[in-house]
Amino acid sequence: EADIYQTPRYLVIGTGKKITLECSQTMGHDKMYWYQQDPGMELHLIHYSYGVNSTEKGDLSSESTVSRIRTEHFPLTLESARPSHTSQYLCASQPKLGTGTLVNEQFFGPGTRLTVL
Amino acid sequence: GQNIDQPTEMTATEGAIVQINCTYQTSGFNGLFWYQQHAGEAPTFLSYNVLDGLEEKGRFSSFLSRSKGYSYLLLKELQMKDSASYLCDEGKLQFGAGTQVVVTP
Repeated sequence: EADIYQTPRYLVIGTGKKITLECSQTMGHDKMYWYQQDPGMELHLIHYSYGVNSTEKGDLSSESTVSRIRTEHFPLTLESARPSHTSQYLCASQPKLGTGTLVNEQFFGPGTRLTVL
Repeated sequence: GQNIDQPTEMTATEGAIVQINCTYQTSGFNGLFWYQQHAGEAPTFLSYNVLDGLEEKGRFSSFLSRSKGYSYLLLKELQMKDSASYLCDEGKLQFGAGTQVVVTP
């Protein structure tokens, strides 16, 4: 079973608030990702990181930021929440290919369902 | 993802076989992953192909042809719990839109 956690699982918040979605993994994976997904739609990459102090923007990165100060922790911050941010946010981690790792699939957290009123 | 093409939806009856095709761009190939995603849940890993050929895992098998940029996921002896979206991923930070498989009694 994957050891990747997201909090909160559900969040309802008003427009204009600043929020941080937490993601932690205890597998020592270097790579971590944030995706946004609406019901029945595809995953959209928001941000990703290949290691500590490394962050990159995905296709849908506007209005959000991430940090990677520790390997295990990859929080996502929305500076000013808007109703268009209402969605499910999925965090994932992935090991590097190498000794002991023959398949580097992504492990997904349970997701945070965000509603912005 | 714009580099990945898979059907939007497939319907099959319980006990049947369904094959989900996926085509992708062949440049800089990193391996081909398949994930299963039930409605409202996170994706879970199903299979990985990096060499040509068939990988079998119980009722699920995945095939890869690198020269053709083509993969398929084969689901055998379909069960109702197999109703889900199946995502093709070429490991380039872009998932396919997924194929919604509906299993009917």
